[in-house]
Amino acid sequence: DAKTTQPTSMDCAEGRAANLPCNHSTISGNEYVYWYRQIHSQGPQYIIHGLKNNETNEMASLIITEDRKSSTLILPHATLRDTAVYYCIVRVRNNDMRFGAGTRLTVKP
Amino acid sequence: EAGVAQSPRYKIIEKRQSVAFWCNPISGHATLYWYQQILGQGPKLLIQFQNNGVVDDSQLPKDRFSAERLKGVDSTLKIQPAKLEDSAVYLCASSYIGTNPDTQYFGPGTRLTVL
Repeated sequence: DAKTTQPTSMDCAEGRAANLPCNHSTISGNEYVYWYRQIHSQGPQYIIHGLKNNETNEMASLIITEDRKSSTLILPHATLRDTAVYYCIVRVRNNDMRFGAGTRLTVKP
Repeated sequence: EAGVAQSPRYKIIEKRQSVAFWCNPISGHATLYWYQQILGQGPKLLIQFQNNGVVDDSQLPKDRFSAERLKGVDSTLKIQPAKLEDSAVYLCASSYIGTNPDTQYFGPGTRLTVL
């Protein structure tokens, strides 16, 4: 059963904000939302995670709706190096990292 | 801080041959994971270790795959004998025991091609 739904692909202009949506309508109260990305030929890279509140770090911001049924990852000023597959994952346990197909983000000059 | 190290980066073998992959996690990380990533798909968990014990190997094809982490640090994943459908990238990840769920940090992976 798919726990998250993401668009297959998105484009973004370099220097603009990239907003990547994720739907997780069946999320449970104790499940966290995690975001990873995978640049071509590399392993997945941790970006950010959250439970209820919005979160921000040096890489991105995570906006979680009040009902927690969806979230948005924001890359504030996308660069060409942000071109990657972005995975949204909901999880509660350490061995519960179930990757879907993710969103392929292409940042264009 | 050094990241997760994996070797080799690439391996090409013929079907029915054996192959082994090595992983050295981030220093101090007690939990180690092996994932399989088939082209075009997200990674799939094969096995999870905590220190030198297996926590979850429910998705490991045990008739041909084996993994060990004898001293609770580095780990080896073996395939014997390999099949064509084993062609994939094998990713190792590690995490620190402190929060549940943890944040996993991945290595660069080993790309296996079975001919």
